[in-house]
Amino acid sequence: QKEVEQNSGPLSVPEGAIASLNCTYSDRGSQSFFWYRQYSGKSPELIMSIYSNGDKEDGRFTAQLNKASQYVSLLIRDSQPSDSATYLCAVRNTGGFKTIFGAGTRLFVKA
Amino acid sequence: GAGVSQSPRYKVAKRGQDVALRCDPISGHVSLFWYQQALGQGPEFLTYFQNEAQLDKSGLPSDRFFAERPEGSVSTLKIQRTQQEDSAVYLCASSLRVDEAFFGQGTRLTVV
Repeated sequence: QKEVEQNSGPLSVPEGAIASLNCTYSDRGSQSFFWYRQYSGKSPELIMSIYSNGDKEDGRFTAQLNKASQYVSLLIRDSQPSDSATYLCAVRNTGGFKTIFGAGTRLFVKA
Repeated sequence: GAGVSQSPRYKVAKRGQDVALRCDPISGHVSLFWYQQALGQGPEFLTYFQNEAQLDKSGLPSDRFFAERPEGSVSTLKIQRTQQEDSAVYLCASSLRVDEAFFGQGTRLTVV
């Protein structure tokens, strides 16, 4: 079992729709969770961080965390073609400095 | 510049050659990370520095890989006797805290 798992996609949604990206992790003691966006040929860019159960909203983005289910999600409302990228889920391990990344989900937003 | 700067952006090395990759973090950032990203995969952790101290090097794949940050600012990742499996993008990230790291543009290493 991988430490951080994501559906590789591609996930295709029409412009204006809600895109839902999901991630599960194996270390039950993990405390910090991140979503990064990575355009093709570019480096990862931090979108959201979340540390406690529940929802965290920032503009069109909402991160959701459920530690009991070891599940993190990212919702993108009113999806735009410019949101087309690979979305990486990342989890920082308990008591350490290592941040573990999933392989990413490719999102396509069709105009 | 305001961001994390890495050089060179691209490096082609012959198998067996030694390479050195440089990272200039954001000024004042205490934490510095190195990651390796293979095509189609997420970044894989290599090592972590807090100032000049290398606190975690558990991700370095072999003793051919060595990283340093002698003055707590610029960091160098050195790969000795490069092999084809070392071909990847090497990403450097820095942060004020351990969380919320900001990445540089990466160095794409191709070993031929």
